[in-house]
Amino acid sequence: EAGVTQFPSHSVIEKGQTVTLRCDPISGHDNLYWYRRVMGKEIKFLLHFVKESKQDESGMPNNRFLAERTGGTYSTLKVQPAELEDSGVYFCASSQARGWTDTQYFGPGTRLTVL
Amino acid sequence: AQSVTQLGSHVSVSEGALVLLRCNYSSSVPPYLFWYVQYPNQGLQLLLKYTSAATLVKGINGFEAEFKKSETSFHLTKPSAHMSDAAEYFCAVSNSGGYQKVTFGTGTKLQVIP
Repeated sequence: EAGVTQFPSHSVIEKGQTVTLRCDPISGHDNLYWYRRVMGKEIKFLLHFVKESKQDESGMPNNRFLAERTGGTYSTLKVQPAELEDSGVYFCASSQARGWTDTQYFGPGTRLTVL
Repeated sequence: AQSVTQLGSHVSVSEGALVLLRCNYSSSVPPYLFWYVQYPNQGLQLLLKYTSAATLVKGINGFEAEFKKSETSFHLTKPSAHMSDAAEYFCAVSNSGGYQKVTFGTGTKLQVIP
C-alpha cells in the first residue's frame, strides 16, 4: 500500500512568487492534515480536512495560504504571495477515520525555501 | 490549551547504552500522547501512543514510554541504542478526543556514537 506522498520534495522560490504544494493521502483516508515546521521550531498544525470539507483551519497563518481538497482525494496548499517567513518543511498526514485512536500517517514533507 | 516540552534538542549516546529522551506535557484534560520518529529524508513515523489503557507503552524498534501523571511526563526509553536509532524524535499531545489535532514538541536529535 502506498504511503502519503508529497510533491515537490523541495521548492526554492523568490519572495512574492506563488507556490503550490500537493499531498496525496493514503487511499481511502478521509482525514487529511497539513502541518508546518519552521526551522528549529516545533511542527505546527495548519488545517484538517474531512473528505473535501475543512474541519479546522485554525492553524493557517494568514490569508496568503489557501488549501483545497477537491473531490476529497488529494490536497493542495497554495502560498501566494510567498514571504521569507514561509520557509520551512510542510508535512501532510492522513488518517482513516475520525477518532483520536487513529494513527496519522505522515508524508516525507516538502521543504520550501523563500529567498 | 495543550503543549509539550522536550528537554534537550540534541542527545548523544554510545551504541549499546540506554536511550532516554525526555518529554513533559501540559494539558487541561486527560491527554493522549505520542512519540514520532523522523529518519533522514523520510516522513514522521509513529513509534508509540498512550491510550490510557496502560501507563507503560511499548512501541516499535524496542522503544517504550511511561506515562506518569504526577510528573506530567512521557519519557521515551530504549535499553540499548543501535546505530539505526539515529534520528529526530518528536513528542506530541492531543486531547481533542474527536480527532487528532496534534501538538508537537520541538524535537530531539539522537546521535548514536559507535
